[in-house]
Amino acid sequence: DARVTQTPRHKVTEMGQEVTMRCQPILGHNTVFWYRQTMMQGLELLAYFRNRAPLDDSGMPKDRFSAEMPDATLATLKIQPSEPRDSAVYFCASGLFWGLAGELFFGEGSRLTVL
Amino acid sequence: AQSVTQLGSHLSVSEGALVLLRCNYSSSVPPYLFWYVQYPNQGLQLLLKYTTGATLVKGINGFEAEFKKSETSFHLTKPSAHMSDAAEYFCAVSETGNQFYFGTGTSLTVIP
Repeated sequence: DARVTQTPRHKVTEMGQEVTMRCQPILGHNTVFWYRQTMMQGLELLAYFRNRAPLDDSGMPKDRFSAEMPDATLATLKIQPSEPRDSAVYFCASGLFWGLAGELFFGEGSRLTVL
Repeated sequence: AQSVTQLGSHLSVSEGALVLLRCNYSSSVPPYLFWYVQYPNQGLQLLLKYTTGATLVKGINGFEAEFKKSETSFHLTKPSAHMSDAAEYFCAVSETGNQFYFGTGTSLTVIP
């Protein structure tokens, strides 16, 4: 059963530490999204890639966040340095889009707590 | 710009009662519309989607939604709530497939 895999599922770290979250999209999907979910803001789009190229990262704090797709099977979201306000659940989602709206398949999320 | 409004952040219904979750959207072109469900500590799962064609869309777990262009709405319904329906429900809209805009979600509680 194809699914989006995210690691780690849970991460507790101290302020100032680097955090890297990883996502393995569903094989064959050409688009990967990163979302952040908090009680206050709901689901926020951070960045997304099509065919590994970044299309939009306007939702990310540029000074501390970075997103990459080193290859088609791996997307990463890095926070350096982390801050308590970054505490949230980070979701990766992938989909196959060819000019029409496909559907998003979400991973189970990475719950980040920054102390 | 697109936006999605979900009326009511919380909804409580009795088991067996009708479930109605409201979603209104704004879009400059005919949109693609989605409902996702999120169970505790899980990611979002697709319930149903509207792209083109029939405006009444049937999804999983007995849910359905109707696209009403004149009302810019895509409300989600289920005739009879089950305890297992307790979850968070998100409406989403996309015009091009490049961006998905999600509503703020409605938390459904089912009372036995």
